Amino acid sequence: LAKTTQPISMDSYEGQEVNITCSHNNIATNDYITWYQQFPSQGPRFIIQGYKTKVTNEVASLFIPADRKSSTLSLPRVSLSDTAVYYCLVVPFGNEKLTFGTGTRLTIIP
Amino acid sequence: NAGVTQTPKFRVLKTGQSMTLLCAQDMNHEYMYWYRQDPGMGLRLIHYSVGEGTTAKGEVPDGYNVSRLKKQNFLLGLESAAPSQTSVYFCASCAAGASGPYGYTFGSGTRLTVV
Repeated sequence: LAKTTQPISMDSYEGQEVNITCSHNNIATNDYITWYQQFPSQGPRFIIQGYKTKVTNEVASLFIPADRKSSTLSLPRVSLSDTAVYYCLVVPFGNEKLTFGTGTRLTIIP
Repeated sequence: NAGVTQTPKFRVLKTGQSMTLLCAQDMNHEYMYWYRQDPGMGLRLIHYSVGEGTTAKGEVPDGYNVSRLKKQNFLLGLESAAPSQTSVYFCASCAAGASGPYGYTFGSGTRLTVV
């Protein structure tokens, strides 16, 4: 499984756009990238998933460059409720297991 | 639609006691998982199941057993609890699609303390 590296923590002010970058240098051809959000005392929640280029949904965007060795989760206009841990995962198509790292602890400052 | 429900939410055990954690899902998902999360750490996979009657080991299976007698339920057992098993346990389920699993849903967790 491809190893992921992401910042341990980040701070941002309310209303700003936040970008969290994940490095996955040894990503394989059949791997896709998925991001989860976890609030204290709750289980992780799926945010977004992609294979290449850009994916956007109602809560976030995911940017994946052509070489796919990194990906960036973009959260537009964050609020205090976006304070959470964000996990980047690389998952082979068809693999039934999710492997979590330590994630990025995002703190939104009023 | 409850999603994934874990029972109990909290439990304190004495060393050597046994217990079973129950996970129930009402989404007709094929795959189910048990993870543990220690403070400041990511989730680590204990055991998982790709269908009724099947189970497989994850990253940290020692000291745990599981059973999937019904599709909607996945049980995690601790035969002889140890302080090292103090953790928050999360259950998850997902559907089986043409290109693999999708739609992971996690429960709210069981906080277990072994004294």
